[in-house]
Amino acid sequence: DGGITQSPKYLFRKEGQNVTLSCEQNLNHDAMYWYRQDPGQGLRLIYYSQIVNDFQKGDIAEGYSVSREKKESFPLTVTSAQKNPTAFYLCASSVVGNEQFFGPGTRLTVL
Amino acid sequence: AQSVAQPEDQVNVAEGNPLTVKCTYSVSGNPYLFWYVQYPNRGLQFLLKYITGDNLVKGSYGFEAEFNKSQTSFHLKKPSALVSDSALYFCAVRDLFSGGYNKLIFGAGTRLAVHP
Repeated sequence: DGGITQSPKYLFRKEGQNVTLSCEQNLNHDAMYWYRQDPGQGLRLIYYSQIVNDFQKGDIAEGYSVSREKKESFPLTVTSAQKNPTAFYLCASSVVGNEQFFGPGTRLTVL
Repeated sequence: AQSVAQPEDQVNVAEGNPLTVKCTYSVSGNPYLFWYVQYPNRGLQFLLKYITGDNLVKGSYGFEAEFNKSQTSFHLKKPSALVSDSALYFCAVRDLFSGGYNKLIFGAGTRLAVHP
């Protein structure tokens, strides 16, 4: 899993509640990414960022928000607008143009 | 549109036999191709990549992949499978229209089961 940490490992959310997933990297990578993985499915891109204070929507950004205040950190907030948030969330980082390295993931469950 | 296809949901192989996990791609230029492996409840681990050069790429844990431009394929191979190779494998291609963001387009994944 390299130098990327995600916390918490497991997260439980009540209906109508916002939750924030943490992603930190010490690889000095410029680019960071958030993916969602559902059982039996591939990865879908939520948001990505190349530089501090800049980020772009991916394929499924609705109901999610991010910030990039520091190069090392790219937290993801799952808002109450995301109607089906139960999934495995993966954070990744890369040097621009090279392969992405992934964190260990956070499993989010709605109660 | 750019895409990656992994035509097999699952591949079964006996330990000690060679394995192949298939991947085909569709891009409008020269592809950057990647293979990742995922063990249960873990993140993805990078195995290997093809950017340019030799069509046979060697990677981690004894895996290799063969780039075939005419067949637009990038199949993952290993000469002798281990039970510990059992995992979910993803092929990915760089989205050439993402500028400097290095977005990857992932296949749906292939589950490899190696039986003793």
